Amino acid sequence: AAGVIQSPRHLIKEKRETATLKCYPIPRHDTVYWYQQGPGQDPQFLISFYEKMQSDKGSIPDRFSAQQFSDYHSELNMSSLELGDSALYFCASSSDSEAFFGQGTRLTVV
Amino acid sequence: QKEVEQNSGPLSVPEGAIASLNCTYSDRGSQSFFWYRQYSGKSPELIMSIYSNGDKEDGRFTAQLNKASQYVSLLIRDSQPSDSATYLCAVNLFGGYNKLIFGAGTRLAVHP
Repeated sequence: AAGVIQSPRHLIKEKRETATLKCYPIPRHDTVYWYQQGPGQDPQFLISFYEKMQSDKGSIPDRFSAQQFSDYHSELNMSSLELGDSALYFCASSSDSEAFFGQGTRLTVV
Repeated sequence: QKEVEQNSGPLSVPEGAIASLNCTYSDRGSQSFFWYRQYSGKSPELIMSIYSNGDKEDGRFTAQLNKASQYVSLLIRDSQPSDSATYLCAVNLFGGYNKLIFGAGTRLAVHP
């Protein structure tokens, strides 16, 4: 069965650079979530989209933005990167309430 | 108070025993509850969902929900070393919004 696809799997950026993370949800899933997980921490909710519209927002810095496109894929844009942004970034998708996660993007800011 | 709370553990159980993991949540109107398993450096994997009071069984896993007490638990029977992982409780907050909130996770260690 198709799963949530995230790209890239690994990303290394320098401070103050910009990064774009992509997420391709499971086909026919209408909801996408983005999470940030630091080492030893639980996934922190950033933002979600339902039918291409932003539906809820968590602790997402103003330097981050996200959108969902007409084909339902989503992108998380992160600007002015800081060392503290180094983390695993997960995307999840759902069609009802059960959310399934992608493999994540490991972002390292140096 | 965090919206979803779990004991961080580690919870150590011998192989073959029952592991009991607990979670409380603060939003009384929450409707959907989930347990995820996460191995180190990997993504969370959904193992159980529960929506109504009572027990729900799936193989060696049983989820229990008590909305009056705002409490959800996960029992793992016949624990195996491969069950050693962090178990995350997640709650979809009330209001029709898509905001799945996780607890801090309980680290389970099953020793032979």
